[in-house]
Amino acid sequence: EPEVTQTPSHQVTQMGQEVILRCVPISNHLYFYWYRQILGQKVEFLVSFYNNEISEKSEIFDDQFSVERPDGSNFTLKIRSTKLEDSAMYFCASKASGTYNEQFFGPGTRLTVL
Amino acid sequence: QQPVQSPQAVILREGEDAVINCSSSKALYSVHWYRQKHGEAPVFLMILLKGGEQKGHDKISASFNEKKQQSSLYLTASQLSYSGTYFCGTQRDDKVIFGPGTSLSVIP
Repeated sequence: EPEVTQTPSHQVTQMGQEVILRCVPISNHLYFYWYRQILGQKVEFLVSFYNNEISEKSEIFDDQFSVERPDGSNFTLKIRSTKLEDSAMYFCASKASGTYNEQFFGPGTRLTVL
Repeated sequence: QQPVQSPQAVILREGEDAVINCSSSKALYSVHWYRQKHGEAPVFLMILLKGGEQKGHDKISASFNEKKQQSSLYLTASQLSYSGTYFCGTQRDDKVIFGPGTSLSVIP
């Protein structure tokens, strides 16, 4: 069964450093998402991406965040200058075409900022 | 604006039933339900599109009352595997906004 994959599974970084989280969505999906989950809290929407551009973003997704689909398969989230409060689980998700379809989540990347 | 869920947490004995509620102050066009086990990604359970629609997934079903802007998830004859956090999500345009989650623990 096709699945969303994410690398790395765990990333430890120093405050102020840049990190890139990688995702490979399901191959025929057209909509891509990043969510964040701080330990013990709810899943928070960060950004949606369709047709090679951001379709929507939350207030969390400020100038230090960016997303890219550098080739036909990868979807990346870059955090330019990490802060302690960026420590969280980051989930990538993808969805097939059609407005009301389920989103398939990847296993997540645990980001720890020291 | 995120949906509201109740209860916050529930503990059940195996075989008991539970209801998890989700409501929104804004108009609902669809409701998504996901379950997340500890340390894992959320897994899709079902999506409800029309008012009054009920859907089922094994012994888990859900209803959606568009007028009341509410959805309820029904877990019947709960199994140990049902343990986890249940999130409802409301879809607006392209994004799903998740509620705070309901922690469900099923004990033998």
